[in-house]
Amino acid sequence: DGGITQSPKYLFRKEGQNVTLSCEQNLNHDAMYWYRQDPGQGLRLIYYSQIVNDFQKGDIAEGYSVSREKKESFPLTVTSAQKNPTAFYLCASSAGTGANTEAFFGQGTRLTVV
Amino acid sequence: GENVEQHPSTLSVQEGDSAVIKCTYSDSASNYFPWYKQELGKRPQLIIDIRSNVGEKKDQRIAVTLNKTAKHFSLHITETQPEDSAVYFCAAPANQAGTALIFGKGTTLSVSS
Repeated sequence: DGGITQSPKYLFRKEGQNVTLSCEQNLNHDAMYWYRQDPGQGLRLIYYSQIVNDFQKGDIAEGYSVSREKKESFPLTVTSAQKNPTAFYLCASSAGTGANTEAFFGQGTRLTVV
Repeated sequence: GENVEQHPSTLSVQEGDSAVIKCTYSDSASNYFPWYKQELGKRPQLIIDIRSNVGEKKDQRIAVTLNKTAKHFSLHITETQPEDSAVYFCAAPANQAGTALIFGKGTTLSVSS
């Protein structure tokens, strides 16, 4: 299961705390993405990045922040401003700078805020 | 931006039957339509995709059809097997730049033997 790695697999945080989810890929992919998965909601796009030092908001970016300082890494911070942070978070990457190639997903991080 | 609708949300079939999942999209400029399969507890994986210059693509028991006029595309699984049980997601490019995918809400397929 190499390629794209998310850590940790499970994460618990207290309400009001910021938390950062890690995503690393060794596929030499230019594009990276963060999705949130909730039951019955599919995969909703949070943020995406086509190149280093550049990223764009997705449909549900409020309460989240990202950085892309290295090609291999695209960490996601869930801030205290996110009203319903408990969810399953998936990171993905794809070759090139378009969405018309296969996206490879990480194993996901399940975040629980109590 | 793009909007992708997927139906049905759940689908139960007997082993050996066919299963069809349909998606509609809103942006007529969209040109790439992948399908992902997510087994329980696992990550989504691409199973088949189609580009707008063809109307149908097959890969063994799986096929995808595209109707650009009606703006819908469908996943067809023939001779279903219990291992086909999973959640299936369709997707389309989020914008005309095609820089991210927008996914449907998923279809939970259950194949009983």
